[in-house]
Amino acid sequence: EAGVAQSPRYKIIEKRQSVAFWCNPISGHATLYWYQQILGQGPKLLIQFQNNGVVDDSQLPKDRFSAERLKGVDSTLKIQPAKLEDSAVYLCASSPAGGGGYNEQFFGPGTRLTVL
Amino acid sequence: AQSVTQPDIHITVSEGASLELRCNYSYGATPYLFWYVQSPGQGLQLLLKYFSGDTLVQGIKGFEAEFKRSQSSFNLRKPSVHWSDAAEYFCAVGVSGGYNKLIFGAGTRLAVHP
Repeated sequence: EAGVAQSPRYKIIEKRQSVAFWCNPISGHATLYWYQQILGQGPKLLIQFQNNGVVDDSQLPKDRFSAERLKGVDSTLKIQPAKLEDSAVYLCASSPAGGGGYNEQFFGPGTRLTVL
Repeated sequence: AQSVTQPDIHITVSEGASLELRCNYSYGATPYLFWYVQSPGQGLQLLLKYFSGDTLVQGIKGFEAEFKRSQSSFNLRKPSVHWSDAAEYFCAVGVSGGYNKLIFGAGTRLAVHP
């Protein structure tokens, strides 16, 4: 079974530029997550999708960050304009939905963003 | 509010020595608890998880963890560390209630001396 795919793996941009990250979850996983992991910190949830609907975006800086999951499969996270403090690793994860209880999240390799 | 504390930012052990990484959580209900490992340039890999039942859980790579409700702890242990265990370790609590959510600690970076 293929894992969560992310691209690009690395990106270097200058502040005020825009950038986009792509994620393809595990086939059949209804829930998709984007996390931001700043150096020296644990991952922080930015946004969570259930199919193509947003269920939690409370920690997404909506003035500059946006995300979409149009067909309930792959997803794009965009930053426009980028700030220095956006330098981080952006992790995508997916999990199956339903069934009660708690469903394990599976993580992709991440995209390391450096803003100069 | 839910939170996870990993008191040790860095730990160094010698190869072959035992290891214990500490994790304390704050959560109002019975928690779902996880330990993840992250090697440089890699994503997060699940080591083990606690949902219910036996409080001592076994994971991959020879790791185990013990859930202690009275201490709100979920410490990770390994009896004999290998050089390949050098990585960053994250404890997390899963918040259920419709839409599953993970709250991570800040991580503990493990260095292994030969």
